[in-house]
Amino acid sequence: KAGVTQTPRYLIKTRGQQVTLSCSPISGHRSVSWYQQTPGQGLQFLFEYFSETQRNKGNFPGRFSGRQFSNSRSEMNVSTLELGDSALYLCATAPGQGSDTQYFGPGTRLTVL
Amino acid sequence: GNSVTQMEGPVTLSEEAFLTINCTYTATGYPSLFWYVQYPGEGLQLLLKATKADDKGSNKGFEATYRKETTSFHLEKGSVQVSDSAVYFCARGAGGSNYKLTFGKGTLLTVNP
Repeated sequence: KAGVTQTPRYLIKTRGQQVTLSCSPISGHRSVSWYQQTPGQGLQFLFEYFSETQRNKGNFPGRFSGRQFSNSRSEMNVSTLELGDSALYLCATAPGQGSDTQYFGPGTRLTVL
Repeated sequence: GNSVTQMEGPVTLSEEAFLTINCTYTATGYPSLFWYVQYPGEGLQLLLKATKADDKGSNKGFEATYRKETTSFHLEKGSVQVSDSAVYFCARGAGGSNYKLTFGKGTLLTVNP
């Protein structure tokens, strides 16, 4: 099976812009979670989608949003970028039922200048 | 709330040395517990997991036992290799959901030949 795919792998934006990141899950996986990884805060949960519905949400401002499509692919969007949004954004996917394990993608490295 | 505390390191060992990385979690609910590993420039890979008290997770010579009485999930390996050099993350699920993980800060392990 192909693994979790994230695009793009690297992105450079300036303050005030917006950005969209994409995650394609492993075939058959319907749950997609997003995490932000920074040196200061570590790994923090953003949100989780299952069957096109947001099922769990972390403590991030409304500038961070996401969605999931009928083929389970997910996108996350960050509007009005701030310098502190520079991070590695990881998505993780799972079949979505019960106590399944999440499988992580390689991440998108976002740099905000 | 949920939290995970792990020794932050860095940890530097010689090849074939014994490894312990301590991890404790808040005793909220009955979470599944995980160890993930991150190699440079990559996403997270699941190393092992345990879903209930006294379970032992193991993989590639690494082991961790779910200790409810001490709320701990320490990672151990009897003989480390240079290829084990990476950052190790302890994580817990959110009680009813393993798709909203709370991570420790990570421990950088360097193994010298």
